Amino acid sequence: AQTVTQSQPEMSVQEAETVTLSCTYDTSESDYYLFWYKQPPSRQMILVIRQEAYKQQNATENRFSVNFQKAAKSFSLKISDSQLGDAAMYFCAYRRYNNNDMRFGAGTRLTVKP
Amino acid sequence: DAGVIQSPRHEVTEMGQEVTLRCKPISGHNSLFWYRQTMMRGLELLIYFNNNVPIDDSGMPEDRFSAKMPNASFSTLKIQPSEPRDSAVYFCASSLYGTSIGEQYFGPGTRLTVT
Repeated sequence: AQTVTQSQPEMSVQEAETVTLSCTYDTSESDYYLFWYKQPPSRQMILVIRQEAYKQQNATENRFSVNFQKAAKSFSLKISDSQLGDAAMYFCAYRRYNNNDMRFGAGTRLTVKP
Repeated sequence: DAGVIQSPRHEVTEMGQEVTLRCKPISGHNSLFWYRQTMMRGLELLIYFNNNVPIDDSGMPEDRFSAKMPNASFSTLKIQPSEPRDSAVYFCASSLYGTSIGEQYFGPGTRLTVT
């Protein structure tokens, strides 16, 4: 069974600084997708970034980028120039290529200090 | 697009009552998911549908829970009878599966409190 592990229950960052959230996953598949979702206090789950496993290039969305290490089964999220609005729970998620079932990690609560 | 729509946003009910949560997926999406989120258990997948057909309901806690998707634009999650341990935030999500990366888009959630 595929599992997703986020080893950092909580993280904090100073405004304008950079922070990296960790995520590892367990799978025997070669084709799959990885995602980071953000859940602010409003509790709305918002897709932040996505990565196809067959792509070697790391995905980037503005201030958000990932470090995808397929061999190590690692998928970390880097947030640059952190803003107060980045404060939220962040969930890492995995989906197999031919399966609609998405597995989520337990989440990391990010605090941004002014 | 209006996004995934869920109703009600908040529901407070007494133990033993029937609760029905509603979801309208994004138009054109062919997969729909029901999740439950609690502090203790995190985000759990309850059931999902592809093209209105239930594919995996192994996450449904027990027979008190049931879900239907009568058409592509509407789904319900029913709890009968409700219990205090059912108190949680219930999310509906939809995706376009088969032709794209299939990321899921979530609704705003329904906060259920059973007293």
